[in-house]
Amino acid sequence: DADVTQTPRNRITKTGKRIMLECSQTKGHDRMYWYRQDPGLGLRLIYYSFDVKDINKGEISDGYSVSRQAQAKFSLSLESAIPNQTALYFCATSDPLRQGADTQYFGPGTRLTVL
Amino acid sequence: QKEVEQNSGPLSVPEGAIASLNCTYSDRGSQSFFWYRQYSGKSPELIMFIYSNGDKEDGRFTAQLNKASQYVSLLIRDSQPSDSATYLCAGAGGTSYGKLTFGQGTILTVHP
Repeated sequence: DADVTQTPRNRITKTGKRIMLECSQTKGHDRMYWYRQDPGLGLRLIYYSFDVKDINKGEISDGYSVSRQAQAKFSLSLESAIPNQTALYFCATSDPLRQGADTQYFGPGTRLTVL
Repeated sequence: QKEVEQNSGPLSVPEGAIASLNCTYSDRGSQSFFWYRQYSGKSPELIMFIYSNGDKEDGRFTAQLNKASQYVSLLIRDSQPSDSATYLCAGAGGTSYGKLTFGQGTILTVHP
């Protein structure tokens, strides 16, 4: 089984709809991250969480919110989706206590299309 | 200026050749660097990380770090068509504590 899972894997929605992307991990890592990827722009950090009680904005948090329900679960919400939020979204985890502490492990991604 | 910059590519090399991917960074406090490979539509997967000046080898891959020049590179020896992917360079530490700052990626194509 995959260590980091994301649901749904693909989603098409309409402008103005609320949508939630979910991430679960079995790696036991405290740190979790949400990124979006657009062609030619690399990975951009939306939000990150170092533990259940610690949530931080990344470089592009406007229009997004997150919830860390448990160590293993980190959800990303788009309160009112707009077309320029069409992108590939990745969840990632890391463990600060292991060698290569900042190494991040990525989920399979969610392809979101906002019409 | 982006904090992590990669040579824009795309880079095309013949099968069996050495592919050289380069990355520069602006945050002198950055302490460790990562190379990820990403196939189209898939998630990034770690190739290797490096945090000491010099070379680090893993199979066909060699990462090189020069902190004085703020330069990181990845060499792929005996390139194979299966190496065709986007390669992402990322830095951690300094102002990016606990986070990775990614470059925009370099597309590599290895042609038979």
